[in-house]
Amino acid sequence: QSVLTQPPSASGTPGQRVTISCSGSSSNIGSNYVHWYQQFPGTAPKVLIYRNNQRPSGVPDRFSGSKSGTSASLAISGLRSEDEADYYCAAWDDSLSGYVFGTGTKVTAL
Amino acid sequence: EVQLEESGGGLVQAGASLRVSCTASGFSFSSHGMNWVRQAPGKGLEWVSYISSGSGTIEYADSVKGRFTISRDNAKNSLYLQMNSLRLEDTAVYYCARDHAGCCSTTSLDFWGQGILVTVSS
Repeated sequence: QSVLTQPPSASGTPGQRVTISCSGSSSNIGSNYVHWYQQFPGTAPKVLIYRNNQRPSGVPDRFSGSKSGTSASLAISGLRSEDEADYYCAAWDDSLSGYVFGTGTKVTAL
Repeated sequence: EVQLEESGGGLVQAGASLRVSCTASGFSFSSHGMNWVRQAPGKGLEWVSYISSGSGTIEYADSVKGRFTISRDNAKNSLYLQMNSLRLEDTAVYYCARDHAGCCSTTSLDFWGQGILVTVSS
């Protein structure tokens, strides 16, 4: 049972802005960095955003991350069909002494 | 090129033991913390365990604590997960993942292996 809560699904038409929320607590998001992962069916996840808002090289700038208090969000500006995937937030949890993933959000381009 | 390759998965009976391995190449293995993450069929990601670059810090998820043991051999660029007393709910694809940092807790997982399937049957 994950301690980070995400909406199960999000969708938009191509070109729209889609936002995914990630809600946690003071022991995880409230006190540690948030990271976001993208996973296509049958493949390994890939880091999309690290340290709240940093993009690894090669990640398009239409992906952005932010954090406020005990919540974080991932925004996809200008949704494309190839962005259809599952997205997970994650953070270290000081109380659990473990890494926690969000429940995951499936993004669909309508 | 960073590469992580898992091996050792398969079908085992509940209560049995299994060791999965991860061989790393293309980077300084001894400089990075390493993790195991699993994904049950049709489910989300679950972090399993972390080991720091020099093995000084080790952490486990509550779901595997006392049954699984993570270890590494920096001379062999290898990461291991010894899984004992396997349960049906341990059935999953197991990924090894490189931590961005060397110590002292999981940060961002910047490279992942392709995953290996472990199936526990009754």
